[in-house]
Amino acid sequence: AQSVTQLGSHVSVSEGALVLLRCNYSSSVPPYLFWYVQYPNQGLQLLLKYTSAATLVKGINGFEAEFKKSETSFHLTKPSAHMSDAAEYFCAVSPMNRDDKIIFGKGTRLHILP
Amino acid sequence: GAVVSQHPSRVICKSGTSVKIECRSLDFQATTMFWYRQFPKQSLMLMATSNEGSKATYEQGVEKDKFLINHASLTLSTLTVTSAHPEDSSFYICSARRNGYTFGSGTRLTVV
Repeated sequence: AQSVTQLGSHVSVSEGALVLLRCNYSSSVPPYLFWYVQYPNQGLQLLLKYTSAATLVKGINGFEAEFKKSETSFHLTKPSAHMSDAAEYFCAVSPMNRDDKIIFGKGTRLHILP
Repeated sequence: GAVVSQHPSRVICKSGTSVKIECRSLDFQATTMFWYRQFPKQSLMLMATSNEGSKATYEQGVEKDKFLINHASLTLSTLTVTSAHPEDSSFYICSARRNGYTFGSGTRLTVV
């Protein structure tokens, strides 16, 4: 069984400050891990994904995430927040090497303060 | 890159009518597509897995007779909400697996 826990349903940071969105996963098999962003009334856009090639994954829009097996974490970071980063962010997991469904966390709403 | 097109983006229908939502993979073939439902300020809940040429696999608690899924070709899956009621109002999103999961832009269904 797999699950994802996102800590904090809402996170507020000042423009220019560090963004840190937390995600912990549980998986009985090696996982693929994803971060998606969703803007209002839109679908999901993939920010980045972990597929075992490298533990530090760089994505679009300056985001990156680090896979830490010992901590079962996959936190999303960005050094300097922009106003355009305000959105809903979802961490997700799916089993590696299997064509199976993807399980989402509950999401974290990121607010950017001017 | 992989593109998934979902149509319509918004639909309003009367209670008791049926609504069909289409999900197309534009530049690749998708043997498997996924349908999700998202309530306001909540996460995506998987409704069903759509398999080309066979019956869909529904998640526990999802009424298969109410949410009809057809995956007749490798590029098209449809979700039909039958006899819609106001509680079916939601945001529906489809996804196809291609180098990860590519999502459609979603359909906002409002039942009045």
